[in-house]
Amino acid sequence: AQSVSQHNHHVILSEAASLELGCNYSYGGTVNLFWYVQYPGQHLQLLLKYFSGDPLVKGIKGFEAEFIKSKFSFNLRKPSVQWSDTAEYFCAVNYYSSASKIIFGSGTRLSIRP
Amino acid sequence: DTGVSQNPRHKITKRGQNVTFRCDPISEHNRLYWYRQTLGQGPEFLTYFQNEAQLEKSRLLSDRFSAERPKGSFSTLEIQRTEQGDSAMYLCASSLEGGSTDTQYFGPGTRLTVL
Repeated sequence: AQSVSQHNHHVILSEAASLELGCNYSYGGTVNLFWYVQYPGQHLQLLLKYFSGDPLVKGIKGFEAEFIKSKFSFNLRKPSVQWSDTAEYFCAVNYYSSASKIIFGSGTRLSIRP
Repeated sequence: DTGVSQNPRHKITKRGQNVTFRCDPISEHNRLYWYRQTLGQGPEFLTYFQNEAQLEKSRLLSDRFSAERPKGSFSTLEIQRTEQGDSAMYLCASSLEGGSTDTQYFGPGTRLTVL
C-alpha cells in the first residue's frame, strides 16, 4: 500500500541547533514529494516540493530537502533553527499512479527552546 | 487574501444532525480537494474535483458524505446523520492542473465537533 512514514513524532531542539526530519515513502513508481508546515493556529503551508531535476531542493525560511530515490527518502533539513520554526511538519507524496491524491505522513512536532 | 477559504471555521453539532461545509478555492484553480485530519495524524484524502466533475473518492467517504462542485468554483461537503467519529478537521485544497507539477494549497479548515 502507498504510505509515508515520518520517524520522529516530536523533536525538541535548542535555537541554533541543526535539524533533520526523516521521511520515507513506500515504493509506487514515480512520485512528487512535498513538505508542508503548520504553525500554531495557522493552516498548512507549502515549505518545499520536488517534482524532478536536482534532488536537493530549497524551500522557504532556509529549509531544504534531499530526495534519495534509492532509499525512498525525502528528509528535511535546516542548518540552524529558530524559535519561530516551532510547528508541525508533514511530509507528503503524490504518486503518479494515483492522479492528484496526496498521501501525508503523520507529522513531526518540532519544539524549539529559546 | 486570495487564498483558499472555508466556512464555517468551527461547527459543533449533535449526533444525528446534518452539516454542510463550504470551500472557496483560489480563483483560477480548476482542481479542488477535500481531506480530513484527526488529532495526531496527517490529512487523509477524501475526494477531488476537476472543474465540476468529481473524479476520485476515497473509501473513507461513506454514503453519509457527499461533495459537490456545481459550477466548478466553490464546493460543499455534506455529512448526513453525523456520528462522533466524524469529529475532525475538514480541509480543502485547490490547485491548477499542470500535469505532474500540480501543487495543492490548503485552506484553514473547518473543525467539526459531534457531541
